[in-house]
Amino acid sequence: AQRVTQPEKLLSVFKGAPVELKCNYSYSGSPELFWYVQYSRQRLQLLLRHISRESIKGFTADLNKGETSFHLKKPFAQEEDSAMYYCALSGVWGAQKLVFGQGTRLTINP
Amino acid sequence: IAGITQAPTSQILAAGRRMTLRCTQDMRHNAMYWYRQDLGLGLRLIHYSNTAGTTGKGEVPDGYSVSRANTDDFPLTLASAVPSQTSVYFCASSDSGTGNYGYTFGSGTRLTVV
Repeated sequence: AQRVTQPEKLLSVFKGAPVELKCNYSYSGSPELFWYVQYSRQRLQLLLRHISRESIKGFTADLNKGETSFHLKKPFAQEEDSAMYYCALSGVWGAQKLVFGQGTRLTINP
Repeated sequence: IAGITQAPTSQILAAGRRMTLRCTQDMRHNAMYWYRQDLGLGLRLIHYSNTAGTTGKGEVPDGYSVSRANTDDFPLTLASAVPSQTSVYFCASSDSGTGNYGYTFGSGTRLTVV
């Protein structure tokens, strides 16, 4: 079954420290993977997609098909990075239906 | 309207009552979706529509129905609300034509069933 797992519900790091939000997936085909972010009192928004191989707000994520992972990383955390982060996978139930992980709430301490 | 508009923003509903959550987009996106967001469970797909006139069931469709009479509107109806339907509901849309799989989300409806 197609599945996205984010093992950490909560993650707390200090400002300036490196951040890694873990995401593992299960999918038999070729996956399309995404990270979405939800800042306090705001709607979900796309942070980055693996197919674009871009860096947004200093975050990067590399698709590792061998480990079926798509971890989100940032070398130096900033307080404004505090938010809820969701990893998502498409390809389920036909094209474009996103399956989301459980989410990780990231808190950056000053 | 810019993007996706959901209404109401929040609602307290008595169990057994019928409720329709509204969702309207102005981007002419073909595909639309309804998700519910629950702590520890993430976002789960309720129903979707690939194009006007068609709908499909997601992961958690029971107790919900949708319709897609036109491109812009995708209402979600709870025929007889139960407390387990207390959640935050997000509507989303995507443009299936460009191959860009990014979703645009609405701001959500916080529903409490008592």
